Amino acid sequence: GAVVSQHPSWVICKSGTSVKIECRSLDFQATTMFWYRQFPKQSLMLMATSNEGSKATYEQGVEKDKFLINHASLTLSTLTVTSAHPEDSSFYICSARVGERATEAFFGQGTRLTVV
Amino acid sequence: GEDVEQSLFLSVREGDSSVINCTYTDSSSTYLYWYKQEPGAGLQLLTYIFSNMDMKQDQRLTVLLNKKDKHLSLRIADTQTGDSAIYFCAERGNDMRFGAGTRLTVKP
Repeated sequence: GAVVSQHPSWVICKSGTSVKIECRSLDFQATTMFWYRQFPKQSLMLMATSNEGSKATYEQGVEKDKFLINHASLTLSTLTVTSAHPEDSSFYICSARVGERATEAFFGQGTRLTVV
Repeated sequence: GEDVEQSLFLSVREGDSSVINCTYTDSSSTYLYWYKQEPGAGLQLLTYIFSNMDMKQDQRLTVLLNKKDKHLSLRIADTQTGDSAIYFCAERGNDMRFGAGTRLTVKP
């Protein structure tokens, strides 16, 4: 199957700093990428949908200015957590699909963010 | 918004069958998925079913879909300790929505 690489796998940062997470489709072009957040023992919550070359669509309750998403190319989307706080600590997972008719989404391995 | 629900825990003995259930509300769902998540890892797609099908079998996995009741189930035959993980059902309408995940524990 297609491979989605997410980097870094884990990161620890200080409160107030910004962290960038990359999501790359390695062997296919992803027109649409999704960013999810997973709280401990809870489900994945969709944060935003990004389409290459256009602004991301954020889910209700997700702060656009805090979680900056850039989908600059068909193989790369980035999520930047700005001015991170301990409550932003979570497991962030991206997924990518080729197009509207794609049957499945391919997931990255996730990034565990800890803000201290 | 649309909702996907599944029970949080399931415990079975090694060799038994496991059945994980899921309900969803989005009637426009086109595909329904089962993902497996092992500790600290991303999601692994196990199987998926198109919304006009009612059953799909793939080795030890059987997916049943009752579209009228919006009910999806995953049956794992001859459950092994390596099957212990969290299983997420997901439905795809305009985007993908996930259930909370069912933690499957397999006892030897």
